[in-house]
Amino acid sequence: DAVMTQSPLSLPVTLGQPASISCRSSQSLVSGDGNTYLNWFLQRPGQSPRRLIYKVSNRDSGVPDRFSGSGSGTDFTLEISGVEAEDVGFYYCMQHAYRPYTFGQGTKLEIK
Amino acid sequence: EVQLVESGGGLVQPGGSLRLSCAASGFSFSSFWVTWVRQGPGRGLEWVASIKEDGSDKYYVDSVKGRFTISRDNAKKSLYLQMNSLRAEDTAVYYCARGRSGDSWGQGTLVIVSS
Repeated sequence: DAVMTQSPLSLPVTLGQPASISCRSSQSLVSGDGNTYLNWFLQRPGQSPRRLIYKVSNRDSGVPDRFSGSGSGTDFTLEISGVEAEDVGFYYCMQHAYRPYTFGQGTKLEIK
Repeated sequence: EVQLVESGGGLVQPGGSLRLSCAASGFSFSSFWVTWVRQGPGRGLEWVASIKEDGSDKYYVDSVKGRFTISRDNAKKSLYLQMNSLRAEDTAVYYCARGRSGDSWGQGTLVIVSS
């Protein structure tokens, strides 16, 4: 199985400051079709997860441009250019290049 | 607007069975893979199963193989998860999601396995 490891697991951030979350896979996530199937999700308190980023760096519709994804192979990063109050919650990376599809442990972002 | 509405959760004894449903609307259901993901109490997300557009391919996480069955009815725009031989560790909120990458999610339905 592709093990997804996120860091940090807890991320206190001051409003307006940048934030960065790392996600590392135990296997390269480059699929046979040349795509890299790495997504990022945000789960706000009491809500369902919402996809923010797909295939490493593509923002979903309605996702603010302060969110950006980057990386390749086994190392990926989610960056928030200036954290807002509505960004608090758990962030998860997820790979669907290999079955079983697997999620990272989650990173809790909170306002300092 | 894409909507996914899960139902069927509840309290069940270990070894029992439950069938979850997910009603889809706002998109062409038959054109998408659909997926079940679960989240145990205070825990992270775990992919459970996915099913192809026409139901011809199904994939499961090892921990539910042989016990859970994913199915769909495209005419009814519905996804199902038949869960048998339930264990305490199956206790979770179960979400249905569109696609294999989960571009839209329902609100979830809670399954509690306990005596």
